[in-house]
Amino acid sequence: NAGVMQNPRHLVRRRGQEARLRCSPMKGHSHVYWYRQLPEEGLKFMVYLQKENIIDESGMPKERFSAEFPKEGPSILRIQQVVRGDSAAYFCASSPVGQGYEQYFGPGTRLTVT
Amino acid sequence: TQLLEQSPQFLSIQEGENLTVYCNSSSVFSSLQWYRQEPGEGPVLLVTVVTGGEVKKLKRLTFQFGDARKDSSLHITAAQPGDTGLYLCAGSSNNAGNMLTFGGGTRLMVKP
Repeated sequence: NAGVMQNPRHLVRRRGQEARLRCSPMKGHSHVYWYRQLPEEGLKFMVYLQKENIIDESGMPKERFSAEFPKEGPSILRIQQVVRGDSAAYFCASSPVGQGYEQYFGPGTRLTVT
Repeated sequence: TQLLEQSPQFLSIQEGENLTVYCNSSSVFSSLQWYRQEPGEGPVLLVTVVTGGEVKKLKRLTFQFGDARKDSSLHITAAQPGDTGLYLCAGSSNNAGNMLTFGGGTRLMVKP
C-alpha cells in the first residue's frame, strides 16, 4: 500500500514566480492536510481539505497561498509570487475517515526561493 | 492557542543507555501522537494514545499518556544508534478540528 506521495521533492523558484506542490493521499484516505516546517522551527498546520472542500484554512497565510483537493487528482498547494520567507519544507498528510488525528505524512517538498 | 513543549531539546547518549522524552501542555488533548523524523524526510507515525493513563509499547519504546491528557512521555530502553533522530509529539483536540499541534521536537543522538 503506497504511502502519501508528494512531488516535486525539491523545488527552486525565483522571487515572484509561482510554486505548485502536489500531494496524493494514501489509498483509502479522503482527508488531506498541509503543514509547513520553516528552518529551525516546528511543524505548523496550514490547511485541512476533503474532496472539493476546504474544511479549515486557519493556518494558511491570507495572501498568495491557496489549496485545493479536486474530485479527481492530487491536492495542490499553490504559492503565488513567492518570497524568500516562503523557503521551507512543506509536508502533506492524509488520514482515514473518522480518524483525523491519525495522520500519515509524505516525504515533503523542499521549496527554495532564490 | 494550544502549545506543546518538549524536553529535552537535545539529547546525546551512549548505546545501551535508557532515556525519557517529555511532552507537556497546559491544554487537554483528545489524542496525542509521537512521530520520528529523519533528515530530509517526513515524520513517521510511531504511536497514537487517546485514553488518559494509557501506556503503549513498541519494542524498546514505551509511550504514556498522562491521566489528565495534558502530557505524555516516550521512554527508550537500551538505546541503539538506529534510534537516532528527531522525535516529535503532536496533539489534537476536539475543539480544534483535525489540526495537529506539534511540539518543538527532541533531537536524539545515540553514539555507538
